[in-house]
Amino acid sequence: ELKVEQNPLFLSMQEGKNYTIYCNYSTTSDRLYWYRQDPGKSLESLFVLLSNGAVKQEGRLMASLDTKARLSTLHITAAVHDLSATYFCAVDGSSNTGKLIFGQGTTLQVKP
Amino acid sequence: DAGVTQSPTHLIKTRGQQVTLRCSPKSGHDTVSWYQQALGQGPQFIFQYYEEEERQRGNFPDRFSGHQFPNYSSELNVNALLLGDSALYLCASSPLTSGGGWGTDTQYFGPGTRLTVL
Repeated sequence: ELKVEQNPLFLSMQEGKNYTIYCNYSTTSDRLYWYRQDPGKSLESLFVLLSNGAVKQEGRLMASLDTKARLSTLHITAAVHDLSATYFCAVDGSSNTGKLIFGQGTTLQVKP
Repeated sequence: DAGVTQSPTHLIKTRGQQVTLRCSPKSGHDTVSWYQQALGQGPQFIFQYYEEEERQRGNFPDRFSGHQFPNYSSELNVNALLLGDSALYLCASSPLTSGGGWGTDTQYFGPGTRLTVL
């Protein structure tokens, strides 16, 4: 059974600092998704990583995928308060058929 | 272009009752997936519909059933509600990738229906 684990589960950081969220998964997959969720809201797609070595960047967020290590990272550069949210990674758990298996989520709190 | 829409926004039911949640996918999308998100947890896959058929199912009991209509909209039905069914129910839509393969592009999530079972 595919398992997806994120760490840390909670992250409190100061504005302007850098940090990385890690997403490990237990079986082979070459599709990994990152989503953002604000309190009481739905999921907003951030990145889709489709191959080993894929790297995508949007603003202060950069995501990468290492399929051999079964690891994805979401790097936050010079955090700002607006990035405070819960971040989920998800892996396609059934041969790329859209059955997403989500991690537990990482709640990011950026303090001024 | 309207995104994924869901109704109702909130719903309160009592144990043993039945509930129907509705979802309209994003324009151009033909695949609909349903997820359950308990408070403080990641979403869990319930099932997926394509061409009006259930194509995949997660580890949910038969009390959870669904339907997809010819216009690609979908319903999620839950019978004999339990307290543990209280959650945010999310619908996600995606287009089938070109070439007829089964891989899907990014799934776009609707705003969700918050179900409370008392």
